[in-house]
Amino acid sequence: ILNVEQSPQSLHVQEGDSTNFTCSFPSSNFYALHWYRWETAKSPEALFVMTLNGDEKKKGRISATLNTKEGYSYLYIKGSQPEDSATYLCASTEILTGGGNKLTFGTGTQLKVEL
Amino acid sequence: DAGITQSPRYKITETGRQVTLMCHQTWSHSYMFWYRQDLGHGLRLIYYSAAADITDKGEVPDGYVVSRSKTENFPLTLESATRSQTSVYFCASSEGAPYGYTFGSGTRLTVV
Repeated sequence: ILNVEQSPQSLHVQEGDSTNFTCSFPSSNFYALHWYRWETAKSPEALFVMTLNGDEKKKGRISATLNTKEGYSYLYIKGSQPEDSATYLCASTEILTGGGNKLTFGTGTQLKVEL
Repeated sequence: DAGITQSPRYKITETGRQVTLMCHQTWSHSYMFWYRQDLGHGLRLIYYSAAADITDKGEVPDGYVVSRSKTENFPLTLESATRSQTSVYFCASSEGAPYGYTFGSGTRLTVV
């Protein structure tokens, strides 16, 4: 079982603030790192899949970076809006025999953006 | 409609009863997964399946049984429900690496 940790556990910011949170994962046998956005009472939605050291991905105001050598990824939100309020999950991938992938999730960072 | 659907959305059952949670996907994804969501633990893998008739245990399989007779369906059965199995259960499917998962909308199960 991979050990995936996220920090902080929760975060309250004001509208317009930029914020970032961290995901740490085992760097040995790394394959891919996933970020998901999870709104209350909904199902997690994929944000990014990152595979290469130094990868940077961007989607609107949200971006992520990856450091596979030291085993961490950062998620950044620029100019937070109330609609960004959600739990952000990261997951590390374990490859299954036959090419499947088993994701181990961190416990998430719960972001609340206040007006 | 294409997608992954779970049923029921909500279920209340009594301790000791058998209950089955259904999961159906229309993409013909090979891989399917069952997770449970618990406070402080996040999403924990119960069982997964690589194809029809191929299943394997995840992190927390005790008290659960799965089957996969058809690619599109992956039901999860609680053989004798206990209060500790009160949780939100998510089914997911995947084409395989490097793709991520697509999740169903979840089943909130309460065992009283």
